[in-house]
Amino acid sequence: QKEVEQDPGPLSVPEGAIVSLNCTYSNSAFQYFMWYRQYSRKGPELLMYTYSSGNKEDGRFTAQVDKSSKYISLFIRDSQPSDSATYLCAMSLPNDYKLSFGAGTTVTVRA
Amino acid sequence: DVKVTQSSRYLVKRTGEKVFLECVQDMDHENMFWYRQDPGLGLRLIYFSYDVKMKEKGDIPEGYSVSREKKERFSLILESASTNQTSMYLCASSPTGLATDTQYFGPGTRLTVL
Repeated sequence: QKEVEQDPGPLSVPEGAIVSLNCTYSNSAFQYFMWYRQYSRKGPELLMYTYSSGNKEDGRFTAQVDKSSKYISLFIRDSQPSDSATYLCAMSLPNDYKLSFGAGTTVTVRA
Repeated sequence: DVKVTQSSRYLVKRTGEKVFLECVQDMDHENMFWYRQDPGLGLRLIYFSYDVKMKEKGDIPEGYSVSREKKERFSLILESASTNQTSMYLCASSPTGLATDTQYFGPGTRLTVL
């Protein structure tokens, strides 16, 4: 069993829809949770970062962490064609340099 | 803006060849990383360097070595390339060694080993 599971999709939605992405994980010691966005032919870039449980909002993006269920989510409201990318979840232990990545979900927002 | 550059976007090599992948960052970051990215597997850490000449093995170091002679440059070496090393290779740098610090990625090198 992989440490971090993420449905690779692909996911195709019309412009303006809410995009819902999620990851599950097996290591209950993970404390830090990130979402990276990767455009085609580019490296990943950090989108959002959350510590422990709870929600974090940044513009149209909301990250949620449910540690009791070992489940994290990313929501994109009012999705735009420019949101078309692969979204990777990542997580780490406290004071560690290693990130454990999900496989990434490819999202296409249709104009 | 942080810039991480990788020497090649695409590379084709033959089985058994020695392959060098180069990565340069321009932000004076202490820490640099090499990952490979494969469909369905995500990013997996090959090696991590936290200072010049210092390195640590990641999750999949077998068949790879690294070199960091200068702070800005981190090289990944495939001593004898094999077909199962065909992959996208991504280099990253970060100011600190903590995973919570933003890692800045290069555009990647797609390596094909025939």
